[in-house]
Amino acid sequence: NAGVTQTPKFQVLKTGQSMTLQCAQDMNHEYMSWYRQDPGMGLRLIHYSVGAGITDQGEVPNGYNVSRSTTEDFPLRLLSAAPSQTSVYFCASSSDRGMNTEAFFGQGTRLTVV
Amino acid sequence: AQKVTQAQTEISVVEKEDVTLDCVYETRDTTYYLFWYKQPPSGELVFLIRRNSFDEQNEISGRYSWNFQKSTSSFNFTITASQVVDSAVYFCALGSYSSASKIIFGSGTRLSIRP
Repeated sequence: NAGVTQTPKFQVLKTGQSMTLQCAQDMNHEYMSWYRQDPGMGLRLIHYSVGAGITDQGEVPNGYNVSRSTTEDFPLRLLSAAPSQTSVYFCASSSDRGMNTEAFFGQGTRLTVV
Repeated sequence: AQKVTQAQTEISVVEKEDVTLDCVYETRDTTYYLFWYKQPPSGELVFLIRRNSFDEQNEISGRYSWNFQKSTSSFNFTITASQVVDSAVYFCALGSYSSASKIIFGSGTRLSIRP
């Protein structure tokens, strides 16, 4: 059981380049989310999804796109990378199991935009 | 709006001391979840506990204990007899019952345990 898998683990981009951060989970969770972690600011929610075909914006959505065509995958796209998007990105998945709700996190992707 | 405040940016204590990490939250939801996560130097996020808003019982797990007080909107975390391996950043988080994928995090408390 792999849990939540993020790829790549590290990435360096030039300003203006585009790329997709991949996130896959094998727990059949309906809920998935993307966070970015910046020093001193904790984790901030970028986008989230409550099921295949359904996405919504979080606290800091600008500059990022998402889609959810399958239950397993929730890719995060940077259309035109900017230095302000240098951060560590975490993907999470969870299932609404009432009292047993827990979010499982991937290992993170460290992105540097130069 | 939902908000989580961890006023303590950094705490440093000597090993074997007890330490309490504070967490204050704001929400308009009547049903919600509260979490604590640990992020060791390796960077991964480790789930510690989830507490539902309708369950105000305090919880103890080994050296860890949590004090949930709805009246003061606080969910504090105490480590008893701290150890060097407890050194990490600890995050308090608030989840919406209506959307399990929308978890809001505090800014974290960096805990350093000195030998």
